[in-house]
Amino acid sequence: LAKTTQPISMDSYEGQEVNITCSHNNIATNDYITWYQQFPSQGPRFIIQGYKTKVTNEVASLFIPADRKSSTLSLPRVSLSDTAVYYCLVGDMDTGRRALTFGSGTRLQVQP
Amino acid sequence: GAVVSQHPSRVICKSGTSVKIECRSLDFQATTMFWYRQFPKQSLMLMATSNEGSKATYEQGVEKDKFLINHASLTLSTLTVTSAHPEDSSFYICSVRTGRLNQPQHFGDGTRLSIL
Repeated sequence: LAKTTQPISMDSYEGQEVNITCSHNNIATNDYITWYQQFPSQGPRFIIQGYKTKVTNEVASLFIPADRKSSTLSLPRVSLSDTAVYYCLVGDMDTGRRALTFGSGTRLQVQP
Repeated sequence: GAVVSQHPSRVICKSGTSVKIECRSLDFQATTMFWYRQFPKQSLMLMATSNEGSKATYEQGVEKDKFLINHASLTLSTLTVTSAHPEDSSFYICSVRTGRLNQPQHFGDGTRLSIL
């Protein structure tokens, strides 16, 4: 399983763009990159998933370079409610019989 | 809407009690469900993979007789913490994957277990 490395914590202010980068040097050909958000005492919530290049949805963008050894989650204009832990996971999106493995995550603190 | 329903959300009980946690897949049939445990300020750790109609697969270091998993139907998996002790106090989270290609893993809202 590909190991991921993220910054332990980040600080930002409301309205700013936040970019969280994750390293996954030994990502496999079949692996997808998935990001989750977790608030205290809640389960992780799916944010975005991608394989290569750029993916954008209504809440975030995911940038993946050609070598796929890293990825960057971009949150366009953060608010106080975006304060949470963000996890980058790498795993084979096959039939779903194997669980994703969590790394340490990045604790994002958004200040007013 | 929610894809995974987990119940109860919080349990407080005395040492020696057995506690059952239910995980339901709401939108699809889940042949495989996963159970994680999370201690304060730490990441999620996979405990076991629950397979419908067969025995669960446990991660190294997780006692199968302590954490009984039953996956009797395609929409329900249960985790029973037997004879719970204070060190079993944790946040337990279930998860499902749809079985369709390239679909993300969905998580329940977790169960906070506190053993007195």
